[in-house]
Amino acid sequence: KQEVTQIPAALSVPEGENLVLNCSFTDSAIYNLQWFRQDPGKGLTSLLLIQSSQREQTSGRLNASLDKSSGRSTLYIAASQPGDSATYLCAATGTASKLTFGTGTRLQVTL
Amino acid sequence: DAGVTQSPTHLIKTRGQHVTLRCSPISGHKSVSWYQQVLGQGPQFIFQYYEKEERGRGNFPDRFSARQFPNYSSELNVNALLLGDSALYLCASSLTGMNTEAFFGQGTRLTVV
Repeated sequence: KQEVTQIPAALSVPEGENLVLNCSFTDSAIYNLQWFRQDPGKGLTSLLLIQSSQREQTSGRLNASLDKSSGRSTLYIAASQPGDSATYLCAATGTASKLTFGTGTRLQVTL
Repeated sequence: DAGVTQSPTHLIKTRGQHVTLRCSPISGHKSVSWYQQVLGQGPQFIFQYYEKEERGRGNFPDRFSARQFPNYSSELNVNALLLGDSALYLCASSLTGMNTEAFFGQGTRLTVV
């Protein structure tokens, strides 16, 4: 059974700081790994998708890496802004295209 | 282009009642999945449908059922509601459901009283 863990559970940083969010998964037999952003009470916004054959993906100030053999993914956010404040979720895609989510990292970027 | 749309946005039901939640996928997407998210937790997989066939089912009781229509829209039905069914119900749409990016709707907030 796939289990996904995200560390830290919460993070507060000053504006402009670079930061790293961590995601680990127990079963390396994944099709892909996806990072999402969730604002309070809202749905999920897809940020980055990394296929199992890829090592990283970049979109603007976001960079996600994937190391299947060690069961880890990281989301790097450069030059953080107050608008980045949200909960960040990672999800590993396994059989039947089932996404298994972590519990998220709640990020607050302060002025 | 419209994204994934879910209705209703909010819903209050009484214990024992039945509820139907609806989802319209992105145009061209043939796979729809349903997730339940309770406060403070990550979403939990309920069902996946592709081309009107159930492709996967999570660890939820038989009170939960779903179906997908010829236009690829989907309904999630929950019978005999319990207080513990209170959650945000999320619908995800993807092209084929196999190794393709999932896009989520804004969710339906269900409160059972």
